[in-house]
Amino acid sequence: SYVLAQPPSVSVAPGKTANITCGGDNIVSRSVHWYKQRPGQAPLVVIYSDSARPSGIPERLSGSNSGDTATLTISRVEAGDEADYYCQVWDTHTDQVVFGGGTKLTVL
Amino acid sequence: VQLQESGPGLVKPSDTLSLTCTVSGDSMTTYYWTWIRQPPGKGLEYIGYIYSSGTSYGNPSLQSRVSMSVDTSKSQFSLSLTSLTAADTATYYCAGGEEATGYFDFWGPGILVTVSS
Repeated sequence: SYVLAQPPSVSVAPGKTANITCGGDNIVSRSVHWYKQRPGQAPLVVIYSDSARPSGIPERLSGSNSGDTATLTISRVEAGDEADYYCQVWDTHTDQVVFGGGTKLTVL
Repeated sequence: VQLQESGPGLVKPSDTLSLTCTVSGDSMTTYYWTWIRQPPGKGLEYIGYIYSSGTSYGNPSLQSRVSMSVDTSKSQFSLSLTSLTAADTATYYCAGGEEATGYFDFWGPGILVTVSS
């Protein structure tokens, strides 16, 4: 089965840029989606199809996908960005949904 | 589109868990619907998804214990998970998205299910 690997944690100072990676075999051939989850809340999609932003998501959040790594980039990090972030793909070979293990973003 | 899970908060080991998700705000057609769970302090685990036609796919690691159904006349879809153990203790989310997009842009608030005698 397809596996997505995320770093367990990323720390960043306010105003700086956070990069959260999602590794998978030839992940560039798949469409990657990113969710933000704050404690006690349901996940919220923040990036879909590698780099598209749903309405209401600030331009500070962006996504990219190349080779074996997809990246969620959060510029000018704010306290409200502190959350768990999950990447997700749809494995068309098996028709299964796959989530990464999640990355806890801490704003210092 | 709004979703709301309903079901028991406490179930016994070896019992069967039955959850229902009620959809409001739009027709169920042209969307697909999924169940995702999250054990306390852990990550998201996909359980399975179902189309409004009733065709469903389950996570291979759970598939023998999972069944899903949809009732578009009631705007509901359901999950049944058999042979429960403590490892099934989790917050269960229902979610949905437009078919063929590959992601889920609306979610229920989640329901915590504890498996304990």
